[in-house]
Amino acid sequence: GDSVTQMEGPVTLSEEAFLTINCTYTATGYPSLFWYVQYPGEGLQLLLKATKADDKGSNKGFEATYRKETTSFHLEKGSVQVSDSAVYFCALLKAAGNKLTFGGGTRVLVKP
Amino acid sequence: DAGVTQSPTHLIKTRGQQVTLRCSPKSGHDTVSWYQQALGQGPQFIFQYYEEEERQRGNFPDRFSGHQFPNYSSELNVNALLLGDSALYLCASSLGQPSDGYTFGSGTRLTVV
Repeated sequence: GDSVTQMEGPVTLSEEAFLTINCTYTATGYPSLFWYVQYPGEGLQLLLKATKADDKGSNKGFEATYRKETTSFHLEKGSVQVSDSAVYFCALLKAAGNKLTFGGGTRVLVKP
Repeated sequence: DAGVTQSPTHLIKTRGQQVTLRCSPKSGHDTVSWYQQALGQGPQFIFQYYEEEERQRGNFPDRFSGHQFPNYSSELNVNALLLGDSALYLCASSLGQPSDGYTFGSGTRLTVV
């Protein structure tokens, strides 16, 4: 079945450091890929998405590129802030599918 | 424009009891999905409702049931609660089957004691 694998956290960084969170997926066909962010005590917010191979999603300084050849969708940010501290989830949605399949989440803690 | 609204925000129930959680989708959305997020894990798909019918179901027992009303709002019912049902229950709405994902509510934190 479909699955998403993320690097385990927590990831602890200093402010202005470079952030990378690895995400790989297993799915047939050409799913859409997403990154969601969850701040403490809140639900999920869509951070960015990509719907086909080589697409780059970007938002709020975060970027991720849909790599079909490596089945990956790694999240990057060049300079993190304390406010980026959250849990990040990678997810996929099959074409004509109804459900999101999520990875286990990666907790990121940014220290001043 | 209100997003997805869930109620209640927190709930404590005793093993064996039944619980009903409620969700109002984002304005203009007609599809509601429910997810269970156990502590420290990613959300797991429970089921999806469209046109007042269950369109797809995840790997959850029949103790989990739902309903969608004509105004697109939805309820999630869980019977015979177990300690393992303690989780954050998330509602997500969409218009049809969008390729740009779903809009999530803030969730209902259910604790079973």
